Amino acid sequence: KNQVEQSPQSLIILEGKNCTLQCNYTVSPFSNLRWYKQDTGRGPVSLTIMTFSENTKSNGRYTATLDADTKQSSLHITASQLSDSASYICVVSAYSRGGGADGLTFGKGTHLIIQP
Amino acid sequence: AAGVIQSPRHLIKEKRETATLKCYPIPRHDTVYWYQQGPGQDPQFLISFYEKMQSDKGSIPDRFSAQQFSDYHSELNMSSLELGDSALYFCASSFQLAVYQETQYFGPGTRLLVL
Repeated sequence: KNQVEQSPQSLIILEGKNCTLQCNYTVSPFSNLRWYKQDTGRGPVSLTIMTFSENTKSNGRYTATLDADTKQSSLHITASQLSDSASYICVVSAYSRGGGADGLTFGKGTHLIIQP
Repeated sequence: AAGVIQSPRHLIKEKRETATLKCYPIPRHDTVYWYQQGPGQDPQFLISFYEKMQSDKGSIPDRFSAQQFSDYHSELNMSSLELGDSALYFCASSFQLAVYQETQYFGPGTRLLVL
């Protein structure tokens, strides 16, 4: 069964500090892994997408890593800002014939709160 | 554990037809979200409901409507279907404990193909 586990479930840090969110997956056959930022009630905003051959990708203050051997990914946020408060969701895609509804497995997200 | 149920899982319609997608949230969840994901695209937020009232509206076309019923299940009604409506439609449910403490649980999606 394909699964995506994220940790921690929630995190509170002070503004300006760095933090790292974790994502472990057991999705096979692996296609790609995405990190999304989502504010409550709004659609997710894509931060990074990585395929099997990529082990790091940056988007501004966000840096994602991928270890396809251990099936782990992390999202590192540098110099956090109040606007970073949101849910961060890890989504892993599996190859499926024609790309079907079974192709995506969502993590439950990490709830990040940045305090001034 | 119970998960979000969506039906049907696959649907084929012709242009100008109507379609109704159903979403059954996890028991005791009070919020439902609808998303549309086109091929190779990120999920786009369509609309959300909290306690049977519309709570937020995203990029939902005027041809679409949705509602949440007394048993908290939700239906997305799509009329005058266009080829561009072919996509995966995800439903997610949550229980709004507090701001930033909401976990959305996604359903498996409904794949709609408009011919």
